[in-house]
Amino acid sequence: DIQMTQSPSSLPASLGDRVTITCRASQDIGNYLRWFQQKPGKSPRLMIYGATNLAAGVPSRFSGSRSGSDYSLTINSLESEDMAIYYCLQHNEYPLTFGSGTKLEIK
Amino acid sequence: QVQLKETGPGLVQPTQTLSITCTVSGFSLTSYYMQWVRQTPGKGLEWMGFIRSGGSTEYNSEFKSRLSISRDTSKNQVFLKMNSLKTEDTGVYYCARDRYGGPFAYWGQGTLVTVSS
Repeated sequence: DIQMTQSPSSLPASLGDRVTITCRASQDIGNYLRWFQQKPGKSPRLMIYGATNLAAGVPSRFSGSRSGSDYSLTINSLESEDMAIYYCLQHNEYPLTFGSGTKLEIK
Repeated sequence: QVQLKETGPGLVQPTQTLSITCTVSGFSLTSYYMQWVRQTPGKGLEWMGFIRSGGSTEYNSEFKSRLSISRDTSKNQVFLKMNSLKTEDTGVYYCARDRYGGPFAYWGQGTLVTVSS
């Protein structure tokens, strides 16, 4: 199975900060990488697909990038509504696998 | 408007069978893959399997032969059945639809399943 190693597990940050969350894939997954945001008591929400593409309705302060087997989600100018847990997902091969999550919280 | 809603039993006893229904609206099940994923305290988000637009299925081997996914297109419903439940199967179960050529673009609200005697 492909392992998605996500870091950090917790990320304290201040409003207005620029933050980056990373997932490393244990095998080649191409651009079959998605990012999700989950707020307490809610279902996950698709933020990024194809490693770099913004899903409909996602603010432009979110962006995704890739460098080799490392995939990053960056949020520019953090807002209070961005505080949530973020997960990556690879869907290049079965079984589909998620990262373990990054909890973004106010410092 | 795409909508998905899971309906489950809430509480299931160990060794029993779990049955969850996902009722959808705003699209046809014959046009999209439908996924099942769960979120448990022990393992976080886990992909369980899916049913293709044509009706064939794919499962996570982690669930071996315990899991079955089916559908009734006339009722716009997708079904998850999993037998031999254990306490570790306690969690929130979600159905989800694909978009942008991949999974989990639309999610249901989830249904909490507690496995306990």
